[in-house]
Amino acid sequence: IQLTQSPSSLSASVGDRVTITCRASQAISNSLAWYQQKPGKAPRFLIYGASTLQPGVPSRFSGSRSGTDFTLTISSLQPEDFATYYCQQLNSYPLTFGGGTEVEIK
Amino acid sequence: QVQLQASGSGLVKPSETLSLTCSVSGGSISSYYWSWIRQPPGKGLEWIGYIYSGGTSNYNPSLKSRVTLSVDMSKNQFSLKLTSMTAADTAVYYCAKHLTVGYNSVGLDSWGQGTLVTVSS
Repeated sequence: IQLTQSPSSLSASVGDRVTITCRASQAISNSLAWYQQKPGKAPRFLIYGASTLQPGVPSRFSGSRSGTDFTLTISSLQPEDFATYYCQQLNSYPLTFGGGTEVEIK
Repeated sequence: QVQLQASGSGLVKPSETLSLTCSVSGGSISSYYWSWIRQPPGKGLEWIGYIYSGGTSNYNPSLKSRVTLSVDMSKNQFSLKLTSMTAADTAVYYCAKHLTVGYNSVGLDSWGQGTLVTVSS
C-alpha cells in the first residue's frame, strides 16, 4: 500500500495552523499512524487509529480521516514542532510510510 | 515505557552480513511485536520486518531473501541479520516496539536511538 504525503515541505510561522495530508493507495480503514522526527533523532509516535493521540502528545495535534485521505493538523505551531512528519499504514504488511513532510520555519 | 538500545557493526564491507541486536530494558520482550526500520541518509523510513516474542516473523518482500530476525527471550533481546550488503543498504537502522490494541498493531510506540550502518570497503 502506497502512502502519498503532501506537501513534501512547507514553511510556516509560530502560531500558524498547519495541515499535512496522507493519501493511501487503497482502503486502510483507520489503520494509520503519525510520527514526528527531528534531525538526528528517532521518530516520535504521535497518533494512531487516524485520530487517537498518544499520551503526552499536546492537544494542538489532531488527526482525521476522510475515506483514504488522512490529515494531521497542528492548530497553533510551536517552535518545538519544526520537524519532519511521517504517516504509516498498519492495515496490512508490509508496513509502509509516507515520504515525509518537512515543516520549516518561515 | 520500555527503552531500546541497538548495537552492532557500524561498518560493513560489500557482500558481507550485517548483524544488529536490540536490547530491551524497563520491560519484558515477551508478548510484544518488535520491528526493525531503516532510514538512508536524508531519506524516508523503510520497514524491514517484525518478530513476535514467540518467534513468528514477517519481512518486507523487498528484503525478504536477505533478512533474518530472531529473538532471545533469556537476554531480552532481538536481532537482525541482513546478508549481501551493498552501498544501497547504508542507513540508520532503528529497532522499535509495536503498540497493540486488541490483536492489532496500531503503531510503533518505543524506538531505539538508531545506529548508522555504512557499507564500504
